[in-house]
Amino acid sequence: AQSVTQPDIHITVSEGASLELRCNYSYGATPYLFWYVQSPGQGLQLLLKYFSGDTLVQGIKGFEAEFKRSQSSFNLRKPSVHWSDAAEYFCAVGMKTSYDKVIFGPGTSLSVIP
Amino acid sequence: DAGVIQSPRHEVTEMGQEVTLRCKPISGHDYLFWYRQTMMRGLELLIYFNNNVPIDDSGMPEDRFSAKMPNASFSTLKIQPSEPRDSAVYFCASSWGPGSPNTEAFFGQGTRLTVV
Repeated sequence: AQSVTQPDIHITVSEGASLELRCNYSYGATPYLFWYVQSPGQGLQLLLKYFSGDTLVQGIKGFEAEFKRSQSSFNLRKPSVHWSDAAEYFCAVGMKTSYDKVIFGPGTSLSVIP
Repeated sequence: DAGVIQSPRHEVTEMGQEVTLRCKPISGHDYLFWYRQTMMRGLELLIYFNNNVPIDDSGMPEDRFSAKMPNASFSTLKIQPSEPRDSAVYFCASSWGPGSPNTEAFFGQGTRLTVV
C-alpha cells in the first residue's frame, strides 16, 4: 500500500533563510507527487506537482521540489522564506491507476521568525 | 469558476443530532473526495466518487457516516447521530480523472464541525 511520510512535524526558520521540507513515499511504481499548503482556517492549495519528465519541478510562490527516485523522496525547497509562508505543508502521493486516490502525509508546520 | 463550494462553513450541533455537510464541485470535474482533518489523525480520506458513483468508502469511520452524490454538481456527507468525536474540519475536493495532466485536487474551504 502506498504511504507518505514527512519526518518533520514542525520547523522554524528565520525570514530570508532557505527552507527544505522533507517528504518520502512508499509505492511500487512512479507515482504522481504533490505539495499542498494550508494557511490557518483555509483549505489546501496546490503548490506544485510531478507527473513525469524533469525531476525538478517549479511551483507557485517561489517553491520548487525535486523528485529523487532512488531515495523515494520529493523534498520541497525555497531559497528565501517570507513571513507569509508560515503555514502547514502537505506532501501527497497519487496512484497511476484507474482510481485516482491521493494519500496525504501528516503535514509539516512551518513557523517563520521575523 | 468559483472553485469548490462547501456549506456551511461552521456547524455547531448537539450530540445525537443529524448533520449534513454539502459540497458543490468544480464544473467538469469527475472525481469528488471527502476528507476529515483533525489534530490527532491529520487529513483522512473518507470516501471518493467517480462520475457520481462511490468508488472507495473504506475511510468512512462508522455506519453513522454516509455520503451521496445525486448528480455531478452536488454531494452530501451526513452524520447520524453525531458524536463529540466527530468534531473536525471536513473538506470536499474535486479533480479531473487519472491520466490528465491536471490531476490535482482542488479543495473547498472546509466545514468546521463541533459536536457538543
